[in-house]
Amino acid sequence: SQELEQSPQSLIVQEGKNLTINCTSSKTLYGLYWYKQKYGEGLIFLMMLQKGGEEKSHEKITAKLDEKKQQSSLHITASQPSHAGIYLCGAWTGNQFYFGTGTSLTVIP
Amino acid sequence: GAVVSQHPSRVICKSGTSVKIECRSLDFQATTMFWYRQFPKKSLMLMATSNEGSKATYEQGVEKDKFLINHASLTLSTLTVTSAHPEDSSFYICSAGGGQGRSSYEQYFGPGTRLTVT
Repeated sequence: SQELEQSPQSLIVQEGKNLTINCTSSKTLYGLYWYKQKYGEGLIFLMMLQKGGEEKSHEKITAKLDEKKQQSSLHITASQPSHAGIYLCGAWTGNQFYFGTGTSLTVIP
Repeated sequence: GAVVSQHPSRVICKSGTSVKIECRSLDFQATTMFWYRQFPKKSLMLMATSNEGSKATYEQGVEKDKFLINHASLTLSTLTVTSAHPEDSSFYICSAGGGQGRSSYEQYFGPGTRLTVT
């Protein structure tokens, strides 16, 4: 099965700072999804990347899928307390959808 | 996007009892539903894949006799936690996908069910 390793596992940043979360796959990615969640709540879809080199942005969040399609990065600019939560990457392996190991983000006001 | 509901959203049960969680696709027929489990501050772990009309496929390490999954119709899958114990307390999320006119890679997540076993 495909393994999706996220780094860092947890992150604490001061409000206003930029940050990057990485998602590394053990296999070639044919589509990579990013979600945000708070434990006990539903998933918020952020974006999906399919092509190597593709980059998408939504408000202050930018995600990119590297050329070799085995890693994706999520970058948050000028973080705010509302960005706090668990960030999850996810991808299909055959007919199953797996999530990455997750990154817990805390933003200190 | 499509709508997937889960019921109940929260449930508290006593140790030793069984709890059933429902996952419904409200506006489309889902050929495949997935069940995930999440511990606090952890990621979502795929438990099983449920295909309508056939037995669920469980991920390694998931006890199929403990977590009974039934996908009797194209709009409903159920997860029953049998003889629940405190360590079964978790957040459970389902997702639904596939069906007529939809790619099997197009899936929608339910809002989740928080189970607490006392």
